[in-house]
Amino acid sequence: QVQLQESGPGLVKPSETLSLTCPVSGGSINSRDYYWGWIRQSPGKGLEWIGSIHNSGSTYYNPSLKSRVIISADTSKNQFSLKLSSVTAADRSIYFCARHNKFWYVDLWGRGTLVTVSS
Amino acid sequence: DIHLTQSPSSVSASVGDRVTITCRASQDFNSWLAWYQQTPGKAPRLLIYAASSLHTGVPSRFSGSGSGTEFTLTISGLQPEDFATYYCQQTNSFPLTFGGGTRVEIK
Repeated sequence: QVQLQESGPGLVKPSETLSLTCPVSGGSINSRDYYWGWIRQSPGKGLEWIGSIHNSGSTYYNPSLKSRVIISADTSKNQFSLKLSSVTAADRSIYFCARHNKFWYVDLWGRGTLVTVSS
Repeated sequence: DIHLTQSPSSVSASVGDRVTITCRASQDFNSWLAWYQQTPGKAPRLLIYAASSLHTGVPSRFSGSGSGTEFTLTISGLQPEDFATYYCQQTNSFPLTFGGGTRVEIK
């Protein structure tokens, strides 16, 4: 049974970089059948897709965040990561790592982790 | 971007009721639409994909329909565990977008 679990600091200072990782257990991130992504949820903006990566190396980003986002994958550790730079209070959200099938539906979610931006 | 508008934003219903939620898109697209259920403190869960296909393990009281710009999720015979928030999502084009959610509350 494949499982995802977000890992990273719950508190980030304004203007700094938010960094989260998502180890994949029970399955391989190298599967060609899936994309691995990040989605966030805040009270004011609902669910927002941040971006995703495929084992081919292709990345896909939401244009609204693209200038600040890097999503990468580490096949040796079977995990993928999110870096969001220059954070502000508006980036306070629950961040979910997720698996998309080939039609981009999210068929597996991590439990989510709350990230707060504050000095 | 494709904007998705869900209605109603909330609905009060009783166990056994039939509930219908609508998702309207800002532009016409095929049936690349999914529905998710989210209970408090949990991640969303995929219910319906391709507008009308039931995801593995999802009870048959959930059904989806629609195409173009209007889609519906119907829960036939509401159960206690169905009181939750429901979201639609389009995968027709990037960026992937979600509706604002519909909260199903106990009457």
